[in-house]
Amino acid sequence: KQEVTQIPAALSVPEGENLVLNCSFTDSAIYNLQWFRQDPGKGLTSLLLIQSSQREQTSGRLNASLDKSSGRSTLYIAASQPGDSATYLCALTGNQFYFGTGTSLTVIP
Amino acid sequence: GAVVSQHPSWVICKSGTSVKIECRSLDFQATTMFWYRQFPKQSLMLMATSNEGSKATYEQGVEKDKFLINHASLTLSTLTVTSAHPEDSSFYICSASPGQANTEAFFGQGTRLTVV
Repeated sequence: KQEVTQIPAALSVPEGENLVLNCSFTDSAIYNLQWFRQDPGKGLTSLLLIQSSQREQTSGRLNASLDKSSGRSTLYIAASQPGDSATYLCALTGNQFYFGTGTSLTVIP
Repeated sequence: GAVVSQHPSWVICKSGTSVKIECRSLDFQATTMFWYRQFPKQSLMLMATSNEGSKATYEQGVEKDKFLINHASLTLSTLTVTSAHPEDSSFYICSASPGQANTEAFFGQGTRLTVV
């Protein structure tokens, strides 16, 4: 069974700092990896999708990488802003979606 | 991106009553939709896979008679929590993909259910 772990569970950084969120998984037989953002009490907003044949995707200040051989993905956020404060979830698709445990990010003004 | 709409966004009901939650794909057709449950400060737990025109597939430990799923059209799936109890209080989220299985997924805004 696929297990997805996100480290750290919580992160607090000052505004403007660059940061990296980590996602590790146990089974490399995946289709895609997707990063989501969730605000308190809200649904999920898709940030980036990396297909299994790709190594990375970029959107604005966000860059996500995928290394299937090591079972890792990272989400890089450049020049963090208070509006980036949220919980970030990674999810892998195999036969179903497997969600990570999430990283709660707080960007301090 | 594609839009998935979930309704209602929140509901309070009395213990013993039933509650229906709707999940609609607004600008695409989805043969498969997924229903998740999320407890406070925890990640999403897949409850069931909703298949248009056929029975839903439930994850282990999820009571199918308690959580009734109907996927009557390619744009609508419903989750009915029957005879709700306080322990059913949770955040329920649906998702759907516009393409083939395992393509990018889009999520509804979630439904906060409180059973009193």
